[in-house]
Amino acid sequence: EVQLVESGGGLVQPGGSLRLSCAASGFTFSSYSMNWVRQAPGKGLEWVSYISSSSSTIYYADSVKGRFTISRDNAKNSLYLQMNSLRDEDTAVYYCASQSPAFDYWGQGTLVTVSS
Amino acid sequence: SYVLTQPPSVSVAPGKTARITCGGNNIGSKSVHWYQQKPGQAPVLVIYYDSDRPSGIPERFSGSNSGNTATLTISRVEAGDEADYYCQVWDSSSDRWVFGGGTKLTVL
Repeated sequence: EVQLVESGGGLVQPGGSLRLSCAASGFTFSSYSMNWVRQAPGKGLEWVSYISSSSSTIYYADSVKGRFTISRDNAKNSLYLQMNSLRDEDTAVYYCASQSPAFDYWGQGTLVTVSS
Repeated sequence: SYVLTQPPSVSVAPGKTARITCGGNNIGSKSVHWYQQKPGQAPVLVIYYDSDRPSGIPERFSGSNSGNTATLTISRVEAGDEADYYCQVWDSSSDRWVFGGGTKLTVL
């Protein structure tokens, strides 16, 4: 059974940092591109970042470029999102999703709240 | 940047057919994916590559894409289909995934 489990969310002050993790199991993680998608309270889905299977290709949404860094460790079947210089508008549930070719599997999400 | 436009809401009676549109400039030249999201749950892929269904998705769900509009069609709608639906495309000009704003499907 495919499982994606996010962790690392929580309450952080504006300007602070958080590192999200996504633990994958039940599939060959190293063969799949991965993404982070977020959803602000009561709002729609917003794509955040993409990383290819080998980490050779990385893309970011304009809203997070220069502040967030996506990475992965295929040996640990894990995906990460380092979030720096957090803003109020980054408050959201963050999902990791595998891509083949659409976002076929999603985690349950982890809530990030940016507030003073 | 590429924009996908969905109606905020669609209502349909049980047993009828619901059609949810996704508008975008020449979207027919792109591959469209559709997701269903129920309250408090993660999204679920229901249609990929315009009209393909993942395993486990009922045949009642179908999709089409032509010109400037992609459409998700749900036949014989059931109460359990009530959810938010999102379309998605890859914008190769900016190397970004794009989601539509989402459509809330209400089963009357």
